[in-house]
Amino acid sequence: GAVVSQHPSRVICKSGTSVKIECRSLDFQATTMFWYRQFPKQSLMLMATSNEGSKATYEQGVEKDKFLINHASLTLSTLTVTSAHPEDSSFYICSARFGAGGYTFGSGTRLTVV
Amino acid sequence: AQSVTQLDSQVPVFEEAPVELRCNYSSSVSVYLFWYVQYPNQGLQLLLKYLSGSTLVKGINGFEAEFNKSQTSFHLRKPSVHISDTAEYFCAVSDTGGAQKLVFGQGTRLTINP
Repeated sequence: GAVVSQHPSRVICKSGTSVKIECRSLDFQATTMFWYRQFPKQSLMLMATSNEGSKATYEQGVEKDKFLINHASLTLSTLTVTSAHPEDSSFYICSARFGAGGYTFGSGTRLTVV
Repeated sequence: AQSVTQLDSQVPVFEEAPVELRCNYSSSVSVYLFWYVQYPNQGLQLLLKYLSGSTLVKGINGFEAEFNKSQTSFHLRKPSVHISDTAEYFCAVSDTGGAQKLVFGQGTRLTINP
């Protein structure tokens, strides 16, 4: 139980275009989801907390106009990287919280901006 | 806000030797504590977690960790490591209330040498 599906697993886009990453909870309702960014050989940096039906809460230093998060339903949260540039290339991971102390993670999206 | 410090960025160990990966946390409120493992180009896998109760927590693959509230530590141990344990290990902490954001440490690269 508590499975999260993240798509796509890999995406290559041209500089200046936008990319949408989806995170779906398959067998539970995810009121709260989290988005992380991971640079090579580094840790997961929390970007934002996504709550169903309300605006996302962004961590300090994260550009909310560049990284648009939408959590329109209890099973889907999306992260859109707008006007992507090469420095946005990274590994993006979503996570959903279930119950007390329960977290499940998507398999990640490798974004390469060329 | 809570934070996590993993004291060692890299730990080289010989096969079948014991290992301890150190983790200290900081929080003004009660916490949940976690250890995750990440193999190259893969997502996160939960090794173990402390929510409450016994301070010694046993996880998968022979790992265990001990919660020490007075020292604000949650060190991970394994009595005998295998080549397959080579991976990146992340300690993480969340508050027990509110958004329960999961915050990660910097990671420890465990390398097992034959």
